[in-house]
Amino acid sequence: AQSVTQLDSQVPVFEEAPVELRCNYSSSVSVYLFWYVQYPNQGLQLLLKYLSGSTLVKGINGFEAEFNKSQTSFHLRKPSVHISDTAEYFCAFLLYNQGGKLIFGQGTELSVKP
Amino acid sequence: NAGVMQNPRHLVRRRGQEARLRCSPMKGHSHVYWYRQLPEEGLKFMVYLQKENIIDESGMPKERFSAEFPKEGPSILRIQQVVRGDSAAYFCASSQPGGSYNEQFFGPGTRLTVL
Repeated sequence: AQSVTQLDSQVPVFEEAPVELRCNYSSSVSVYLFWYVQYPNQGLQLLLKYLSGSTLVKGINGFEAEFNKSQTSFHLRKPSVHISDTAEYFCAFLLYNQGGKLIFGQGTELSVKP
Repeated sequence: NAGVMQNPRHLVRRRGQEARLRCSPMKGHSHVYWYRQLPEEGLKFMVYLQKENIIDESGMPKERFSAEFPKEGPSILRIQQVVRGDSAAYFCASSQPGGSYNEQFFGPGTRLTVL
């Protein structure tokens, strides 16, 4: 079955510390991979995406993620977080060439403390 | 260029009533997707529509739920005879047509509360 697992439901971290949000996926076919951010009572905003090419992708707000095909992972990292990064983060994938059905993980709540 | 618009932002219904959720895609977008987010969960795909055509409804509950995207006007997600378990945030996304990948842009969501 195709699924996304976000290994941590909550990640508390202090301001200016590094953070990694973990994501593993399961699919029998090639996928496109995404990270979205959701601020309270808002819709989702695309942080970054992996479609092809370099396995290290850079996104907005200083975030980056690395696609690891052998480990079927797509972990999100930021070297130094800000209070404003406090939000819910969702990992998702799209089956290659099979329409627009995004498959989402359960979400990771990032809480940045001063 | 306005983003994806959804209305109402909040909707309260009593059990047994109907809920109608509207989504206006971004200008130039002819594909619409609906997702549901239950409390403490991620988003779950419901349905994918093009103008006047349902492409994939594999995530739609078999009963009480329907969706349309007419030639003119917004896409509508309709829930008949709502139950408490329908309480959730419903998000719409839109994309341009064509190609193997088109970014989906999300609206702010409609938060449905069933009393």
